[in-house]
Amino acid sequence: GAVVSQHPSWVICKSGTSVKIECRSLDFQATTMFWYRQFPKQSLMLMATSNEGSKATYEQGVEKDKFLINHASLTLSTLTVTSAHPEDSSFYICSASNRRSQETQYFGPGTRLLVL
Amino acid sequence: GESVGLHLPTLSVQEGDNSIINCAYSNSASDYFIWYKQESGKGPQFIIDIRSNMDKRQGQRVTVLLNKTVKHLSLQIAATQPGDSAVYFCAENIGGYQKVTFGIGTKLQVIP
Repeated sequence: GAVVSQHPSWVICKSGTSVKIECRSLDFQATTMFWYRQFPKQSLMLMATSNEGSKATYEQGVEKDKFLINHASLTLSTLTVTSAHPEDSSFYICSASNRRSQETQYFGPGTRLLVL
Repeated sequence: GESVGLHLPTLSVQEGDNSIINCAYSNSASDYFIWYKQESGKGPQFIIDIRSNMDKRQGQRVTVLLNKTVKHLSLQIAATQPGDSAVYFCAENIGGYQKVTFGIGTKLQVIP
């Protein structure tokens, strides 16, 4: 149980375009979802926390207008990288937690974004 | 600001030996700690956790030790196998708050 999926697993796009990444909890209801960014050989950096039905809470330094997060249902959250630039190229990972075990985060497999 | 950090960025061990991965944390308010394993190109995978009211917890081939006096956390892997090769992160959580802070990570290389 507690499986989280992400789609797509990798994406290549041109500079200036927008990219949407989906995060789904497959067998549980995710009351909270988290979005992380990870650069090569570095740790995971939390970008934002989203609770179902409410606005996401962004970490300091993360542009909310550039990284749009929607958590419209208990099983789906989306991250849209708007007007992507090469410096946005990274590994984006989501995680989800449920009411029963709010401290435990179940991670998705990640989405590798390459902006040309 | 306060953060979680690791002493060793890379650890090489012989297959069959025991591995010890260390982590130092600086936030004394942290009361829940997790170790994650991340294989190349994949998301983190939960290994084991421990609460601050414990100093040791054992799983299958893994043991986590917590020393609150010196704010130190370690992950011990017994009889290390090639499949254990990955980057290991410690993470801390405060008082049931959902936000988790990740450490830098240690790359474990298992030599066959």
